[in-house]
Amino acid sequence: DAGVTQSPTHLIKTRGQHVTLRCSPISGHKSVSWYQQVLGQGPQFIFQYYEKEERGRGNFPDRFSARQFPNYSSELNVNALLLGDSALYLCASRRTSGREDTQYFGPGTRLTVL
Amino acid sequence: EDQVTQSPEALRLQEGESSSLNCSYTVSGLRGLFWYRQDPGKGPEFLFTLYSAGEEKEKERLKATLTKKESFLHITAPKPEDSATYLCAVQATGGFKTIFGAGTRLFVKA
Repeated sequence: DAGVTQSPTHLIKTRGQHVTLRCSPISGHKSVSWYQQVLGQGPQFIFQYYEKEERGRGNFPDRFSARQFPNYSSELNVNALLLGDSALYLCASRRTSGREDTQYFGPGTRLTVL
Repeated sequence: EDQVTQSPEALRLQEGESSSLNCSYTVSGLRGLFWYRQDPGKGPEFLFTLYSAGEEKEKERLKATLTKKESFLHITAPKPEDSATYLCAVQATGGFKTIFGAGTRLFVKA
């Protein structure tokens, strides 16, 4: 089975621009979460989507938005990019069954804002 | 506020030298505690989920244990290929977010 896929792998943008990152979850998984990981830190939660509905949002400004499509793939959008948005953006495909809630991460998209 | 603290920040071991990584957590009600391995520039790789105090899980040279306030990742006779950052995370009961610690960077020298 294919794992979580993310595109693009790397991206370079300038301040003020807009970016869209894409994620395809593991087949059969209906939930996707997005994380931002700055160098030297653990991932920080941005959004969770389940069955195309937003289920949770972390402490990120409104410049960050996301959506989930009928095929459960997802997009993360960031507007008005700042230098501080440079990070590894991770998508996680979640398997929930009873009390189990396990996340499997994709390889990430490395975003550099100049 | 839910919080995860990992120690040490970095750990250098000789090949075969066993040790433990610590994860201390504060959460209103624990739904699950997770351990991940992350190689540089890559996404975290799932290792274990622990749900209740006293639970233990093993995988090759790794063993994870859980108490009401902390979790340990024991590494037995490590090899250079075990070098990576090990991340601990918790999820609260009824919550939707997973909170990660900053990780422990493990270096194993041959």
